[in-house]
Amino acid sequence: GDSVTQMEGPVTLSEEAFLTINCTYTATGYPSLFWYVQYPGEGLQLLLKATKADDKGSNKGFEATYRKETTSFHLEKGSVQVSDSAVYFCALSGPGGSYIPTFGRGTSLIVHP
Amino acid sequence: DGGITQSPKYLFRKEGQNVTLSCEQNLNHDAMYWYRQDPGQGLRLIYYSQIVNDFQKGDIAEGYSVSREKKESFPLTVTSAQKNPTAFYLCASSPQTGRTSQPQHFGDGTRLSIL
Repeated sequence: GDSVTQMEGPVTLSEEAFLTINCTYTATGYPSLFWYVQYPGEGLQLLLKATKADDKGSNKGFEATYRKETTSFHLEKGSVQVSDSAVYFCALSGPGGSYIPTFGRGTSLIVHP
Repeated sequence: DGGITQSPKYLFRKEGQNVTLSCEQNLNHDAMYWYRQDPGQGLRLIYYSQIVNDFQKGDIAEGYSVSREKKESFPLTVTSAQKNPTAFYLCASSPQTGRTSQPQHFGDGTRLSIL
């Protein structure tokens, strides 16, 4: 079945540092890929998405590129802020596989001033 | 603004009691979902519904029940059979199931604790 693997957290960075959170997936067909963010005590919010190979999703300074050859969708940001502290989830859904999204376990990011 | 409303934000359950978590959406989405989130864990799917009056078990349905009598509503009942109900519960919705490039929209969650 489909699966998503994220790097273990927490990831701890100083403000203005470069961020990478790794995400790799296993899926049939050509799934859509998503990054969600969850702030403390809240639900998940869509951060960015990509629907086909080589697409780059971007939002709020975050970027991720759909790499079919390496089955990866790594999240990057050039300069993190304290307000970026949250849990980040990588996810995928169909087509070819299930329309029910498959989520990674989440990666906690802590940014210190 | 369209969105998903979960209530209550905090809920306490006594021994042997059933409790119901509310989830309402005004996004006109066909599909709705319930997830359970434990500290440091990812999301685990409890139930989902693609259409009114139909729903399917997810990975951890035991001890839970749902109904889908209206498109906009998908309440979750945590029954006394669920022996470890303490968790953060998230409701989500998405457009019709054929459009798999569409993301899910989430509510702000209900935190359930045992008294």
